[in-house]
Amino acid sequence: DIQLTQSPSSLSASVGDRITITCQASQGISSFVNWYQQKVGKAPKLLIHHASTLQRGVPSRFSGSGSGTDFTFTISSLQPEDVATYYCQRFDNLPLTFGGGTKVEIK
Amino acid sequence: EVQLVESGGGLVQPGRSLKLSCPTSGFTFGDYAMGWFRQTPGKRPEWVGFIRSQAYGGATEYAASVKDRFTISRDDSQGIAYLQMDSLKAEDTGVYYCTRGGYVWGTYRYVFDYWGQGALVTVSS
Repeated sequence: DIQLTQSPSSLSASVGDRITITCQASQGISSFVNWYQQKVGKAPKLLIHHASTLQRGVPSRFSGSGSGTDFTFTISSLQPEDVATYYCQRFDNLPLTFGGGTKVEIK
Repeated sequence: EVQLVESGGGLVQPGRSLKLSCPTSGFTFGDYAMGWFRQTPGKRPEWVGFIRSQAYGGATEYAASVKDRFTISRDDSQGIAYLQMDSLKAEDTGVYYCTRGGYVWGTYRYVFDYWGQGALVTVSS
């Protein structure tokens, strides 16, 4: 199965900072990557699909890019409500798999 | 508003069965695939399986870890998805999420965009 490696595993940043998370696939997966946000005790929420398409209703400070094996997720101006764990997920083929997650905290 | 609400979770002994239900509202149920994912605390989500819409034959797909033990079904008349879990093992313990799968035209792939709040399943003697 194709593996997704996310980095960093955790980060701490100030309100208003720009943060970037990377997700690397062990083989090329075109643009078949989604990004989810999961707050403590809640279900994952889809933010970005197809690597760079913002899900309806999601604030524009969230963005994604990449194709092939390297993908990037960015929050342009970190807000207190963005404290969560973020996961990349591939859907090029079965089984569907997730990256290890990045826990984002406020400094 | 799209809503999915899992029910039927609980404590079950190893080797026994449990069935989760996922009644939905706020969208045309028959137009979508329905998927199940699970997660244990501090771990990444794990895909369990999904069922396609009737337009695509209602075919199912399963993760290797649950194949031949779990069965996903759907009742389009009621807008409910089900997850029948048999021969449960301790490693099946986790929060189970019901999800809606939007078909990506021309690719035979699905994006699981809405998730329920989850149902806790604990397999222990």
